[in-house]
Amino acid sequence: LAKTTQPISMDSYEGQEVNITCSHNNIATNDYITWYQQFPSQGPRFIIQGYKTKVTNEVASLFIPADRKSSTLSLPRVSLSDTAVYYCLVGELTRSNTGKLIFGQGTTLQVKP
Amino acid sequence: GAVVSQHPSWVICKSGTSVKIECRSLDFQATTMFWYRQFPKQSLMLMATSNEGSKATYEQGVEKDKFLINHASLTLSTLTVTSAHPEDSSFYICSARGRLRGRPDYEQYFGPGTRLTVT
Repeated sequence: LAKTTQPISMDSYEGQEVNITCSHNNIATNDYITWYQQFPSQGPRFIIQGYKTKVTNEVASLFIPADRKSSTLSLPRVSLSDTAVYYCLVGELTRSNTGKLIFGQGTTLQVKP
Repeated sequence: GAVVSQHPSWVICKSGTSVKIECRSLDFQATTMFWYRQFPKQSLMLMATSNEGSKATYEQGVEKDKFLINHASLTLSTLTVTSAHPEDSSFYICSARGRLRGRPDYEQYFGPGTRLTVT
């Protein structure tokens, strides 16, 4: 399982775009990149997943360069309710895979008014 | 809505007693369930992986005799913390992997967590 490195914390203000970058130099060919959000005393919540290039859904975008050694989660126009810990995970997602997810330290995002 | 539930959401027990935490997948069959532990200000730590009808696989350093896991059905896994001590106080989170309403069957869904306090 590829190791991931993220900034420990980030600060932002309401209405700004936030970009959180994750490094995963040892990503394998079959690995996907998945981001989760966690609020205090709650389980992680799936945000977005991608393999390469760009993925966008209703809450975020995920940018993955060609070498896939890093990825950037982009949150448009954050609000106070986006204050949370964001985890980047890398792993193989196939039926035959064990499905183990190894969480790194995560990035604590603090959105200020 | 929630696809994985945990019960109880919080529990306080006395040192030396055992406590059981349930994890249920709602509206889908979970081929695999996972148990995590999270201490304050720290990340989630995977404790064990359980498949329905077979013994759980524990991560290195996790005592299998202390943290008993039973995955008796495709919708229920239980974690029993035996002879709990204050150092076992933590936030326990389960996740379930399975096919949900047209989604790929390898996707994983997390429960809301259970706060255990041992006094």
